[in-house]
Amino acid sequence: DAGVIQSPRHEVTEMGQEVTLRCKPISGHNSLFWYRQTMMRGLELLIYFNNNVPIDDSGMPEDRFSAKMPNASFSTLKIQPSEPRDSAVYFCASSQRTSGEETQYFGPGTRLLVL
Amino acid sequence: AQSVAQPEDQVNVAEGNPLTVKCTYSVSGNPYLFWYVQYPNRGLQFLLKYITGDNLVKGSYGFEAEFNKSQTSFHLKKPSALVSDSALYFCALLKAAGNKLTFGGGTRVLVKP
Repeated sequence: DAGVIQSPRHEVTEMGQEVTLRCKPISGHNSLFWYRQTMMRGLELLIYFNNNVPIDDSGMPEDRFSAKMPNASFSTLKIQPSEPRDSAVYFCASSQRTSGEETQYFGPGTRLLVL
Repeated sequence: AQSVAQPEDQVNVAEGNPLTVKCTYSVSGNPYLFWYVQYPNRGLQFLLKYITGDNLVKGSYGFEAEFNKSQTSFHLKKPSALVSDSALYFCALLKAAGNKLTFGGGTRVLVKP
């Protein structure tokens, strides 16, 4: 298995632009998570999906952030409009939720820089 | 509320010496505990986890961790550190039947030759 795939790996954009991050979870996994990592705040869970349905988006910073999972093999995290404080590494992770002890497997991350 | 603490921001150790990375947790109910490692410009890699059973858990790359319920700790250990073990290590907590991982702040390990 190729593991969790994220694209792009690096993104540089200007303030006010729309940014779309993409994630392909491990085949067969039914839970998907979006995290953000910064020096100041560490790893933060933004949102997670079970069976393509958003379960908890309490970590999404504000309305500028939105996430979708149209099918079991694809998810997007969109920031519109982007701001310099959104600069961070965004990770996608997936797991196979069965008994509540599942290991989450992380993608390589997207390093976002908003100028 | 659940929380994870990694009291050391950085651990320095000489190659060949034992390595310990500390983690303590707080949760109501049974915890599931995980260790991840992050190399520069990479994602988090799963090392090991404790769910139930034997308190000593063995994982990848020669790492192990000991679950201590009375001390609410889950310290990561390696008997003989390698320079290639230099990385950022995260302890994480999953409440039983929950979905959300709570991460510690991370501990940077530097193994010197």
